[in-house]
Amino acid sequence: IQMTQSPSSVSASVGDRVTITCRASQGIDNWLAWYQQKPGKDPKLLIYVASSLQSGVPSRFSGSGSGTDFTLTISSLQPEDFATYYCQQTDSFPLTFGGGTKVEIK
Amino acid sequence: EVQLVESGGGVIRPGGSLRLSCAASGFTFDDYGMSWVRQVPGKGLEWVSGINWRGSNSGYGDSVKGRFTISRDNAKKYLYLQMNSLRAEDTALYHCARDLLKRAYYHGMDVWGQGTTVTVSS
Repeated sequence: IQMTQSPSSVSASVGDRVTITCRASQGIDNWLAWYQQKPGKDPKLLIYVASSLQSGVPSRFSGSGSGTDFTLTISSLQPEDFATYYCQQTDSFPLTFGGGTKVEIK
Repeated sequence: EVQLVESGGGVIRPGGSLRLSCAASGFTFDDYGMSWVRQVPGKGLEWVSGINWRGSNSGYGDSVKGRFTISRDNAKKYLYLQMNSLRAEDTALYHCARDLLKRAYYHGMDVWGQGTTVTVSS
């Protein structure tokens, strides 16, 4: 299953609403996770089964979608949110990642 | 403290073999599925392999299938990745990572080790 993220990068300002999309090459029901990775750090799980917020993750992060099309939304971008975001399908082996979306400061 | 610590990386010639290890602590290891994920510096994440909590089911990325073997020793709380027929394109930082939920299908990885570096070069 191929996972395609868009955009590959986005420039945004603090307070902006940011939406990242992830498309699966075939239906994966809601078996999708989202991660945040900052430079030099390990990935951090944000969302699982498409829309469930991982414990400790701020509520400005939300996920939606089912089947082949998914979105990660940051409702009001904070300085600590500038990072690269990855989706991963957890429906079937191999558990493929998307190519990543870098959220940069405008 | 929940912790994963990888070891076994190094510099190896193309065609060679390495075995990576991941020591788990701070949680009931045999309750969780585990994965190996690699990343070339400056590039994206690539899922390499995963194994369920019992060790009875495993999967591999297309680029490593037939060359890498994942295994686990629940008594010792270790995860392993045997890597054979190594290629230059296997050069990366290799992380082990724990699945989110106990005794469940894969939901995502909530605990990550710092990684061990594998360099394949002649």
